[in-house]
Amino acid sequence: GQSLEQPSEVTAVEGAIVQINCTYQTSGFYGLSWYQQHDGGAPTFLSYNALDGLEETGRFSSFLSRSDSYGYLLLQELQMKDSASYFCAVRDGTSGTYKYIFGTGTRLKVLA
Amino acid sequence: DSGVTQTPKHLITATGQRVTLRCSPRSGDLSVYWYQQSLDQGLQFLIQYYNGEERAKGNILERFSAQQFPDLHSELNLSSLELGDSALYFCASSAQGGGENYGYTFGSGTRLTVV
Repeated sequence: GQSLEQPSEVTAVEGAIVQINCTYQTSGFYGLSWYQQHDGGAPTFLSYNALDGLEETGRFSSFLSRSDSYGYLLLQELQMKDSASYFCAVRDGTSGTYKYIFGTGTRLKVLA
Repeated sequence: DSGVTQTPKHLITATGQRVTLRCSPRSGDLSVYWYQQSLDQGLQFLIQYYNGEERAKGNILERFSAQQFPDLHSELNLSSLELGDSALYFCASSAQGGGENYGYTFGSGTRLTVV
């Protein structure tokens, strides 16, 4: 089966850099995705890593190490609007399905 | 607007009742996924449909069922409702190829409250 672990909560100040870690166990690996969800809102797709290394998209970057079954989301120049929950997700290894298994989420609090 | 439409946005019903949640996927997307999110919990996968056929099933209760119609909209039916079924129910869609590089597109969800 699949399982993902991420910290439940992270707090940082505006303008700082924060890293949200995710470790996973999966029977077949197709990549690690990250989603952002504001309170009461829908999850929105942030990034996807299929290969090792760092992918940068503006203030957000995502890293993957397949050998360590580990990834992280890096948020730079934090803004108040970044306060949200962040979920990592892996695709189920069963052939023919694109269902994703989500972690329990990390609540990021950005302080002024 | 994400392109995925879910109705209704809010639903309050009594225990033992049955409700139907509706989802229209983004134009061109063939896959529809249903997720349940309880208070302060992660997203629990319920079921996936691809072009009208069930493709994958998660820990979906026997009281719950779903289907995808020829026009690709999907409905999630919840019956014999219990207090513990109160949650946000999200529908998501993805392109035919799985959408790894673009991820899922989620609807705004249906908040179900069972009283």
